[in-house]
Amino acid sequence: KNQVEQSPQSLIILEGKNCTLQCNYTVSPFSNLRWYKQDTGRGPVSLTIMTFSENTKSNGRYTATLDADTKQSSLHITASQLSDSASYICVVSSISTDSWGKLQFGAGTQVVVTP
Amino acid sequence: DAGITQSPRHKVTETGTPVTLRCHQTENHRYMYWYRQDPGHGLRLIHYSYGVKDTDKGEVSDGYSVSRSKTEDFLLTLESATSSQTSVYFCAISESGGWVLHEQFFGPGTRLTVL
Repeated sequence: KNQVEQSPQSLIILEGKNCTLQCNYTVSPFSNLRWYKQDTGRGPVSLTIMTFSENTKSNGRYTATLDADTKQSSLHITASQLSDSASYICVVSSISTDSWGKLQFGAGTQVVVTP
Repeated sequence: DAGITQSPRHKVTETGTPVTLRCHQTENHRYMYWYRQDPGHGLRLIHYSYGVKDTDKGEVSDGYSVSRSKTEDFLLTLESATSSQTSVYFCAISESGGWVLHEQFFGPGTRLTVL
């Protein structure tokens, strides 16, 4: 079972509207949570990285929140633009006794912004 | 794409043939990764490298091998391609291991089709 679940799987929003994407995780012990944006045919690009002590982080019109107690994160897109059409991927990192910590990727939320 | 190139970008091959994908970076990052991305799944780690000639397995390593003879190059080999290996393959790089707050930068991807 995937330890990072995202919802919804997809959504369609009108240009200029706001939307919120959800990410629930069971990864433990937790190190940090990342949101990536992946345009069609491209590799993912990092939007935000948050540790357990950070509740919110913004990157332009993107605002991520984290509740480490409930193991939930959200990504809010404000005043959506056509260029926001992409897949948004939640990634959770755990602290590992290995030299490298495993990243757990969600399946992504496909966002389509229509004119 | 942060100084990362992948070649080829597209490949169609037949079952049973060997295939090698190349990842080249110009960032001098220590860590390099190979992922595969399939519909409905998050990115899954195949193999990673933490230095020249230092590699280790990820969660879906069966049927794949890797080599890293230079800092800038990381090769992924499918010894005998199968249809289940049809996927989009992404290379990623980072300065440090995943649980440290260093970003992973992704390449543009290679779309592989095994007939």
